[in-house]
Amino acid sequence: DQQVKQNSPSLSVQEGRISILNCDYTNSMFDYFLWYKKYPAEGPTFLISISSIKDKNEDGRFTVFLNKSAKHLSLHIVPSQPGDSAVYFCAATGNQFYFGTGTSLTVIP
Amino acid sequence: GAVVSQHPSRVICKSGTSVKIECRSLDFQATTMFWYRQFPKQSLMLMATSNEGSKATYEQGVEKDKFLINHASLTLSTLTVTSAHPEDSSFYICSAEEGNYGYTFGSGTRLTVV
Repeated sequence: DQQVKQNSPSLSVQEGRISILNCDYTNSMFDYFLWYKKYPAEGPTFLISISSIKDKNEDGRFTVFLNKSAKHLSLHIVPSQPGDSAVYFCAATGNQFYFGTGTSLTVIP
Repeated sequence: GAVVSQHPSRVICKSGTSVKIECRSLDFQATTMFWYRQFPKQSLMLMATSNEGSKATYEQGVEKDKFLINHASLTLSTLTVTSAHPEDSSFYICSAEEGNYGYTFGSGTRLTVV
């Protein structure tokens, strides 16, 4: 059973616009959430995280929002740049680590 | 979709002993698997790339003799933490890339060395 889901396998956005990547989870015991970015032929790299005691965390162009009541996590990228084109994974942790299946973002110049 | 199974999910061992962690691709063949270490509230750290039938490629700073990786078949890679010490306590996570399904992670192994 997939405890962390990314229902959109792909997303295309025009350069300069906002990219919104979504993630849903099922376990209310998760206390920490992370987003990773992965380029082809490379391992994932950490992007941004949020603790369950917060509802927003911002780092430059990247903002993560957490809605605990909806068990929903989103990553906003503003403004989107072509270099942001990659696969984005969300992850949640409690006693174990659970990753989503990834969303492939394409930013069109 | 592709499933990567990691076992055990949790292990507690005594200092000085060795622990083996298995990573299996259940419905696809993985010529390459990756091993990561996750410290609490920190980012995933790539330890090594496991290549079927050949030696693993270790990242800088990762001790090859301490973290032994074996990728003997297209569906199984193992990570052995040798002579474990309390500072080795961490989450260890494997992943594999499969052409049709992309990149899939195992659910991790929480290692506690006492």
